[in-house]
Amino acid sequence: QITLKESGPTLVKPTQTLTLTCTFSGFSLSTSGVSVGWIRQPPGKALEWLALIYWDDDKRYSPSLKTRLAITKDTSKSQVVLTMTNMDPVDTATYYCAHRLLGHNFDYWGQGALVTVSS
Amino acid sequence: QSALTQPPSASGSPGQSVTISCTGTNSDVGGYNSVSWYQRHPGKAPKLIIYEVTKRPSGVPDRFSGSKSGNTASLTVSGLQADDEADYFCSSDAGSKNLEVFGGGTKLTVL
Repeated sequence: QITLKESGPTLVKPTQTLTLTCTFSGFSLSTSGVSVGWIRQPPGKALEWLALIYWDDDKRYSPSLKTRLAITKDTSKSQVVLTMTNMDPVDTATYYCAHRLLGHNFDYWGQGALVTVSS
Repeated sequence: QSALTQPPSASGSPGQSVTISCTGTNSDVGGYNSVSWYQRHPGKAPKLIIYEVTKRPSGVPDRFSGSKSGNTASLTVSGLQADDEADYFCSSDAGSKNLEVFGGGTKLTVL
C-alpha cells in the first residue's frame, strides 16, 4: 500500500524559503522507473506541477519556477524534500507530493499541506 | 504551462449520470493518450480513478468512465451515489518540458 504525507510550516513570511518534506511508504525511490513529484493548488486555481525527482536522481522543474526550486531525496529515510526560495503571497497554496512511474501520470498522492505566505 | 479547463461545478440526482469535461490543447490532451482523472474528498488525498484516458485502476467501479475527443477529455459518472460528491480534476501529459498539466477541478454535487 503506497502512502505519502507532506509536512512543513503552515505559515511563512514573504522572502523566506519554504522547505517541505514528503515522507512515503509502500515503495522505494531506488527502484527503476519510480519518481516523486510536487504539485500545488492555490485557492480557486488549477493545480500546477512544480518538480519531480527520479530514482536515478535525475530532476525536472517547472520552467516558470525553475530558478526558485530545488528537490532532493533521501532514499534511506523514504523522504523527498522540496525547497522554494523567495516566497510571495501568490505562493499561498496547498502543496501535494505524489508518486509517479516512468511513462505514466501521477497515481498516488498525499493529502496535501496548506502553506500560507503572509507577513 | 497552461492549465486545463474544467467547469467549476456539476450536479445530478442519485442514479443519474453526469459528465465532466476537461479541455486542453494539441500540446497536452490532444497530443497524448495520457489523461487521468482524480477524485478528491475534502481533507483527503486525491484518488486516481481513470488513467490513460479510459482505464480504471483496480477497485474503481465501472460507474466511472473516461473518453477523449480531440483536445477535450471527459469523465462520466453513472448511477450517481451520495459518496460521489467530491471534487474531480483531470491531468494530461504535456511533454518533457512541462511534464504534466492539470485542471482546476469540478465540484460534483449529488442533489
